[in-house]
Formats: sequence, structure tokens, C-alpha cells
Amino acid sequence: DQQVKQNSPSLSVQEGRISILNCDYTNSMFDYFLWYKKYPAEGPTFLISISSIKDKNEDGRFTVFLNKSAKHLSLHIVPSQPGDSAVYFCAASAWRSSGDKLTFGTGTRLAVRP
Amino acid sequence: NAGVTQTPKFRILKIGQSMTLQCTQDMNHNYMYWYRQDPGMGLKLIYYSVGAGITDKGEVPNGYNVSRSTTEDFPLRLELAAPSQTSVYFCASSYSRAGAAGELFFGEGSRLTVL
Repeated sequence: DQQVKQNSPSLSVQEGRISILNCDYTNSMFDYFLWYKKYPAEGPTFLISISSIKDKNEDGRFTVFLNKSAKHLSLHIVPSQPGDSAVYFCAASAWRSSGDKLTFGTGTRLAVRP
Repeated sequence: NAGVTQTPKFRILKIGQSMTLQCTQDMNHNYMYWYRQDPGMGLKLIYYSVGAGITDKGEVPNGYNVSRSTTEDFPLRLELAAPSQTSVYFCASSYSRAGAAGELFFGEGSRLTVL
């Protein structure tokens, strides 16, 4: 049972344009969400997070939006740069009940074309 | 600052062999984790530890064992390797509970092939 879903395995975007990566979840107990970025042959690195008490969190070019009623979150990258080309994982935790564990999505491979 | 260090980076095992993946962190983090990533799949939690002497099972613990005798080290033991254990393994650590603003710091991964 995939509780965190990233339905788009890949995305290609022109440099300078907006990249939008989507993530859906099914567990209503999830209350903290994170995005990780992964380059080939490296471990994932933390990018940005959002608590369920917010609907938006921004950090430079990266913004995460949370729609709790739709159980949906998205990561916006504006403007996209070639160095953003990587695999992006969405992750979630129900930290009040089992906050020691993150559940990851399957990832979306982003390619930013120069 | 080394962060999270995993060894070996690559290993080929024969069916039935055993091995230990080493993981050490120098950030004095209490929480440590082992994940595996199969092609086209997300990261699945194998085992985790909330501190020295304390370990617990994750989603996919069968075929693995862990120990946490020190804060720094969290080795993952594979007993009787099977082809289903072919995967990339990631060790991670965090200062606080994952998801409670406790971002995970990952190692570079260990690619294991069982033939």
C-alpha cells in the first residue's frame, strides 16, 4: 500500500521556467511533509519541509504548497536551473504518533533543459 | 565534516553469504536509520534506532539485523543473502525525530548485488 504517491516518474522543463512536482498521500495521520533531492551516486539531501498547520512554505526558489483537504502537496521551483536536474522524493510522517519514521514516495526525475 | 559515512560503496555477494554494511556519523545524532531503495521505488525503512542500545523494525526488516552499541555507529547485518536483497542501501541520521523538523542526513549509499 503506497501511502505517498508521486505519479509522475519524470518531468522535463526549460531553464528559467517553473517546475511543479506533485505528491499525493492517503494517510490522514500524516502531519509533516518533506522534499528531498537526490543526485546520481549520492544520498538524498533535504530540500524543504512543511507542517500540516501551514499551507505554504517558501525557501528561495523553492516553495511547497499543502492542500490538506485534497491530501496533496506540490513543490514549485522558480526559476528552474540545470543544476536542479535530479530525482525529487516527497516524504511524510505522522510525527505525533510515529514520528520516528518517514514514508517516501517513488520519486520524480526532473530534467531542466538549458 | 564527514557527516554520514557508509562502507562499502559496492559489494557483490553470493546467495547464502553474510555481510555487514557499516555506517558511522560524526554529528552526535541520536536517531539513525537504514533504508533500501529498489529501482523505481521509494526508500523503504529497514530498521531504525532512537539512541544507543535501542533499535526497532521498520517496514522491511526481514533478512536483516542491526545493533547500536554507540551513538556513532549503526551497522546493518545481512544474514543468508538472497537475490531479493539486491538494492541500494542508505544509512541516515537525524538530531531529532524524523518529520518533527528532524531532517535526515543521508550517506552516499551502498550498492549491493546478490547473485
